[in-house]
Amino acid sequence: NAGVTQTPKFQVLKTGQSMTLQCAQDMNHNSMYWYRQDPGMGLRLIYYSASEGTTDKGEVPNGYNVSRLNKREFSLRLESAAPSQTSVYFCASSDDPGREKLFFGSGTQLSVL
Amino acid sequence: DQQVKQNSPSLSVQEGRISILNCDYTNSMFDYFLWYKKYPAEGPTFLISISSIKDKNEDGRFTVFLNKSAKHLSLHIVPSQPGDSAVYFCAAKGKAAGNKLTFGGGTRVLVKP
Repeated sequence: NAGVTQTPKFQVLKTGQSMTLQCAQDMNHNSMYWYRQDPGMGLRLIYYSASEGTTDKGEVPNGYNVSRLNKREFSLRLESAAPSQTSVYFCASSDDPGREKLFFGSGTQLSVL
Repeated sequence: DQQVKQNSPSLSVQEGRISILNCDYTNSMFDYFLWYKKYPAEGPTFLISISSIKDKNEDGRFTVFLNKSAKHLSLHIVPSQPGDSAVYFCAAKGKAAGNKLTFGGGTRVLVKP
């Protein structure tokens, strides 16, 4: 029962470097999400995918791209990392889009120097 | 402008006593509210929810109260236990299809033995 698995758990980047955060869920959920958590700001939605083959912008999409590779996997890419993207990133999934009961991964701590 | 606010960043309570966490929202279109609990180095986990057609929902030691006229909800934990020490996020969802969760900034709860 892995649930939602994120890799890596920690990452340090230099400004301008690129990287992809990976996320996979084994609950056969249709919807997947990427959030970032910053102190005092709660969780803010970056991108989401309501179903395989669809993606939509959330509240803070600038500087990010996503790919819904298949029903299980939803990746987040930073093309040119900036210090403002230093944050904790959470992937989540849901099979209850009307109620948004989300299942979260354990997060990726990203530092951009 | 934050649509969901948790004005108390932290709360300390004695074991066995009641913990009361508060959350205020500004968007009258929100119709579903949730509380998530987060331990360090883990992702948030769903705790309890309430629909706007109700004013109370109870699940064991956890009760959520909704006051629509005041745009206020609260989470009561009775009795508080040391294992309840965590960060609690309230979240709200709008009525329109596709509206996603908006999270508050979180309240850190410390339950002292």
